Amino acid sequence: NAGVTQTPKFQVLKTGQSMTLQCAQDMNHEYMSWYRQDPGMGLRLIHYSVGAGITDQGEVPNGYNVSRSTTEDFPLRLLSAAPSQTSVYFCASSRDRGRNEKLFFGSGTQLSVL
Amino acid sequence: RKEVEQDPGPFNVPEGATVAFNCTYSNSASQSFFWYRQDCRKEPKLLMSVYSSGNEDGRFTAQLNRASQYISLLIRDSKLSDSATYLCVVTSGGSYIPTFGRGTSLIVHP
Repeated sequence: NAGVTQTPKFQVLKTGQSMTLQCAQDMNHEYMSWYRQDPGMGLRLIHYSVGAGITDQGEVPNGYNVSRSTTEDFPLRLLSAAPSQTSVYFCASSRDRGRNEKLFFGSGTQLSVL
Repeated sequence: RKEVEQDPGPFNVPEGATVAFNCTYSNSASQSFFWYRQDCRKEPKLLMSVYSSGNEDGRFTAQLNRASQYISLLIRDSKLSDSATYLCVVTSGGSYIPTFGRGTSLIVHP
């Protein structure tokens, strides 16, 4: 059972480049989300989805787009990368958005924007 | 004021010590509470949920104080392998979107 798979693990971009961080889960989870983690800031929610075709903004959505065309996949797109987007990104999923639902995390993507 | 607050530490303790962390939350409508553990450069993993009556899992005890709006994590007989960052997570009624604290760093030394 793969759980939550994130790719790539590392990425270096130049300012203005675009890229997509991939996230897939094989647990049939309805809820999926993207976080960024910066030193001293903890995990901050970027976007989330409560099911296929439904997405919403989190705490820090600017500069990022998401889509949820299938239950399994929840890609995060950076349209024009900026140095402020240098961070570690985590995808997480849970069975649904309910009480006491455990979050399962991917292994993270270390992104550097030069 | 941040919705979920933790003392970043680090808490530096010897093996065998007992250590406790607190986490305060600002939303009185908060419904669910968790402690996650994060090792350096790794993804967070659930350590334990926190129930209203308090709960224990081996050397770990979690407590909830709704009146004062905080949760706590007590680690007894600390091991070197307990060295990690401990993240407090709170979900609020309605949205149930998890909100993370910034984490408390624990270093257990020989």
